[in-house]
Amino acid sequence: DTGVSQDPRHKITKRGQNVTFRCDPISEHNRLYWYRQTLGQGPEFLTYFQNEAQLEKSRLLSDRFSAERPKGSFSTLEIQRTEQGDSAMYLCASNPIAGGTDTQYFGPGTRLTVL
Amino acid sequence: GENVEQHPSTLSVQEGDSAVIKCTYSDSASNYFPWYKQELGKGPQLIIDIRSNVGEKKDQRIAVTLNKTAKHFSLHITETQPEDSAVYFCAARAGGNDYKLSFGAGTTVTVRA
Repeated sequence: DTGVSQDPRHKITKRGQNVTFRCDPISEHNRLYWYRQTLGQGPEFLTYFQNEAQLEKSRLLSDRFSAERPKGSFSTLEIQRTEQGDSAMYLCASNPIAGGTDTQYFGPGTRLTVL
Repeated sequence: GENVEQHPSTLSVQEGDSAVIKCTYSDSASNYFPWYKQELGKGPQLIIDIRSNVGEKKDQRIAVTLNKTAKHFSLHITETQPEDSAVYFCAARAGGNDYKLSFGAGTTVTVRA
């Protein structure tokens, strides 16, 4: 296993369009997290899943954002009616419950540009 | 919620010198403090972490110290090398059933050859 993967790596879209990103966590990692990172800032938490259950959502996650993890494996993050302020790097991370590890392993991110 | 502040925002050091980055946190319940390194176009990579029951941890040229009373923790990189040039982020986890990380704003480290 080579780590957390994200697709696409880059997405350019026009304002008002919908976009969907995919994250494949490390195999058997129960917890999956989405963060958003804007230029010059640290990642900001958006939401996380434990298996298929979405357990926490940040207030940053407006009603235009929705995330799913239908079978407890990969996850998707959809942004509807994109705005220029949505331009950012969207990062996915995962970690296992077993072993009590807190280490979150990050993917390479999806860079979104909204024109 | 947890608030993490990180200083300095930029740091330039001569190759071979040491680099120190400092972070403070607000939630006294926080119990896990990782440090990540991020290179251009890549996701953050964990370089070292420390838990609240430990005051110091070292891994080769990298060390982290934690002062729970003062609610601050620091990253120390000794004998810096050009490949240490990157953006470094500190983070904190509140503990209990709160698994998310709260990050500092980052420090851009430049190692001059």
